[in-house]
Amino acid sequence: AQSVTQLDSHVSVSEGTPVLLRCNYSSSYSPSLFWYVQHPNKGLQLLLKYTSAATLVKGINGFEAEFKKSETSFHLTKPSAHMSDAAEYFCVVSVSGGGADGLTFGKGTHLIIQP
Amino acid sequence: DVKVTQSSRYLVKRTGEKVFLECVQDMDHENMFWYRQDPGLGLRLIYFSYDVKMKEKGDIPEGYSVSREKKERFSLILESASTNQTSMYLCASNPPRANTGELFFGEGSRLTVL
Repeated sequence: AQSVTQLDSHVSVSEGTPVLLRCNYSSSYSPSLFWYVQHPNKGLQLLLKYTSAATLVKGINGFEAEFKKSETSFHLTKPSAHMSDAAEYFCVVSVSGGGADGLTFGKGTHLIIQP
Repeated sequence: DVKVTQSSRYLVKRTGEKVFLECVQDMDHENMFWYRQDPGLGLRLIYFSYDVKMKEKGDIPEGYSVSREKKERFSLILESASTNQTSMYLCASNPPRANTGELFFGEGSRLTVL
């Protein structure tokens, strides 16, 4: 069985300050991990993915995430928030080789950017 | 670019009506999926299909059915809509034998059942 917990339902930061969105996972096997972003009234878009290569993963729009097996975490960070980063973010875990029927989505974190 | 198109962005239906949600992808993907998205619950898989005429139940198939008559089209059917099916529905696809977990999503269909 696998599960994913996004520790914050809402995160609010000021423009230009760092962003941290927290994600913990539970898995009996070596997981693949993903972050997706959903802008208002849009579908989800892949931000980045970890599939057992480098533990520090870089994604689009300046985001990155670090896989920490000892902490079972995959937190998403960005050094400097931009207004366009305001969106819903989903952490996703898979242990079935990444086949989409084996994906488990977190409940989402709503990122608010204050001007 | 991969394009997944959900033809109806917003629908309002009455309880008991039959509802069709259509999804078309233009990248020859074999795998297609229907998710339901509700605030605080994230995404939940309703049905998926690995090929034409094939379908598999996801985590919450009750009250739904699907149709995959052509490779590019995957339809979600609510035989008799109920108010608890008011939700955002997301269609997704990915390439054959994908092992990356990367899904390509449509923009969603927001359904309200009165």
